[in-house]
Amino acid sequence: AQSVSQHNHHVILSEAASLELGCNYSYGGTVNLFWYVQYPGQHLQLLLKYFSGDPLVKGIKGFEAEFIKSKFSFNLRKPSVQWSDTAEYFCAVKSGANNLFFGTGTRLTVIP
Amino acid sequence: NAGVMQNPRHLVRRRGQEARLRCSPMKGHSHVYWYRQLPEEGLKFMVYLQKENIIDESGMPKERFSAEFPKEGPSILRIQQVVRGDSAAYFCASSPPGHTTNSPLHFGNGTRLTVT
Repeated sequence: AQSVSQHNHHVILSEAASLELGCNYSYGGTVNLFWYVQYPGQHLQLLLKYFSGDPLVKGIKGFEAEFIKSKFSFNLRKPSVQWSDTAEYFCAVKSGANNLFFGTGTRLTVIP
Repeated sequence: NAGVMQNPRHLVRRRGQEARLRCSPMKGHSHVYWYRQLPEEGLKFMVYLQKENIIDESGMPKERFSAEFPKEGPSILRIQQVVRGDSAAYFCASSPPGHTTNSPLHFGNGTRLTVT
């Protein structure tokens, strides 16, 4: 069965600190990978996605993620976080079926 | 272009009542997905519908839950005889016809159901 693991449940950073949120999945076939963000009181928005090609993917708002196939990982990074990045971040995997499988989410709190 | 619209935003029901959650997909989208987010958990897939058809309901609880997406009107997620454990945020997402594996979903703001 497919699964998506986000090991960091809650991350607290000061502004300008660097961010890396872990995401690991278990599926042996071709996958599409996504990071979604949910700002307080808002709906889920797509941050970035990986389908094929360059494993380093650039997203909106300065986020990027790197697909490492050998590690089954798709970690999210940002060099310098801002207070406005405070949100819940979800990693998701799609594997040819119609469903997205989500991780449990990581809550990021950025302290001004 | 309006996004995915869900209503109500908040719904309070007493145990044993029925809850109806509505989702209007983005214009031109004919695929609708329902997800549930329980407290302290991630999003869990519930059901995938196209117009007038349930394509995949593998995530739906076997009892009390049903979903429809009629030819006209919004998709409805219906929960009969609600219990406290049904309290959660329910998210709807949509995608266009002929979408492929590569298509991201567009999510609504969710409906937060509280069962008292």
